[in-house]
Amino acid sequence: EDQVTQSPEALRLQEGESSSLNCSYTVSGLRGLFWYRQDPGKGPEFLFTLYSAGEEKEKERLKATLTKKESFLHITAPKPEDSATYLCAVWRYGGTSYGKLTFGQGTILTVHP
Amino acid sequence: GAVVSQHPSRVICKSGTSVKIECRSLDFQATTMFWYRQFPKKSLMLMATSNEGSKATYEQGVEKDKFLINHASLTLSTLTVTSAHPEDSSFYICSARGVENIQYFGAGTRLSVL
Repeated sequence: EDQVTQSPEALRLQEGESSSLNCSYTVSGLRGLFWYRQDPGKGPEFLFTLYSAGEEKEKERLKATLTKKESFLHITAPKPEDSATYLCAVWRYGGTSYGKLTFGQGTILTVHP
Repeated sequence: GAVVSQHPSRVICKSGTSVKIECRSLDFQATTMFWYRQFPKKSLMLMATSNEGSKATYEQGVEKDKFLINHASLTLSTLTVTSAHPEDSSFYICSARGVENIQYFGAGTRLSVL
């Protein structure tokens, strides 16, 4: 069974204090790993897709990386508006899953001014 | 970017009534849509996968007679919560599958059953 574990559960940062969020996964045949951002009371917003180990993608203050066992979301010089829950999800090969994603439980990021 | 519209955003109903939630992909066609339920401070729980023109595939433990899904066109899927009870109160979110298997999510529907 696919497993996705995110750590830490919650992270408090001061504005400008860089850090990383972790997403560890166990899946037979990773086809893609997705990062989303979710604000309270809203649906998740797509950030990145990573397909193979060694791949990196960047968007503003965020950078996502992927290894064979985990993914990191690096946040550089965060601002209060980066406060949100960050979710990772995996997509695996095989079956009739129609692209079903398995989500981690999320990391709640709070950035204080 | 791809936009998914979900309505209503909030609904309050009496116990025993049925509630319909709509999910539309506005600028792309989606043969596959997904319905999730989210409990407070918890992650997304997949309820069912909706495919245009065919029956939905429900996850284990989800009552298909209570949560009726209809994917009548390439841009519209609906979730009907039948005979709603207070325990059905939750945050329901839909998504539509786009290119490269990216799921684009609606804004969610807060259901409160009195």
